[in-house]
Amino acid sequence: GESVGLHLPTLSVQEGDNSIINCAYSNSASDYFIWYKQESGKGPQFIIDIRSNMDKRQGQRVTVLLNKTVKHLSLQIAATQPGDSAVYFCAENISASGGSYIPTFGRGTSLIVHP
Amino acid sequence: DAGVIQSPRHEVTEMGQEVTLRCKPISGHDYLFWYRQTMMRGLELLIYFNNNVPIDDSGMPEDRFSAKMPNASFSTLKIQPSEPRDSAVYFCASSLERRGGQDTGELFFGEGSRLTVL
Repeated sequence: GESVGLHLPTLSVQEGDNSIINCAYSNSASDYFIWYKQESGKGPQFIIDIRSNMDKRQGQRVTVLLNKTVKHLSLQIAATQPGDSAVYFCAENISASGGSYIPTFGRGTSLIVHP
Repeated sequence: DAGVIQSPRHEVTEMGQEVTLRCKPISGHDYLFWYRQTMMRGLELLIYFNNNVPIDDSGMPEDRFSAKMPNASFSTLKIQPSEPRDSAVYFCASSLERRGGQDTGELFFGEGSRLTVL
């Protein structure tokens, strides 16, 4: 079946380093992807999104890259800070009839930032 | 806006008891979602509503689970009878219907209800 998955369950980095979190998807019909951040004890929060007509999108300290050829998505966090420690999910979005997107979440990657 | 509000934040109950989880979505949002999160399965979509109407409940585990949305500002997820394997964090999320290419598909999540069934 089609699924969204992550390569690494845990990523440990030193404060100040750059972090890269990867995600593979298998549904070639997917045209919209979102990265969410989930801090301990909280619900997931939107970080950045990208549509399939783009291969790169930048936000504040974050960049998402999309490679449709190999169905791969990555989230790059520049100058990682302790506050970035969280679980990161990529969500593959499917358009629902009548509007909105219905996301399917990957398993998540735990990012641990050491001071 | 206060965001999506869920209650209770924590619930401990015994097997066989009825559990009711509550959600107040963000005012004006057209979609409401119920997710379940466990270490084993991650985030699973249980059911979602559009304009208070259930659209897809294929993720509901079994007949012990039911969800309602009597109005635009309130939804419940009920488990009756509860079992230990239902222990998880249950999230409610809401979103706006897409209107044009500028809208995002962002879901706004509540802080979750942690359920423990003994």
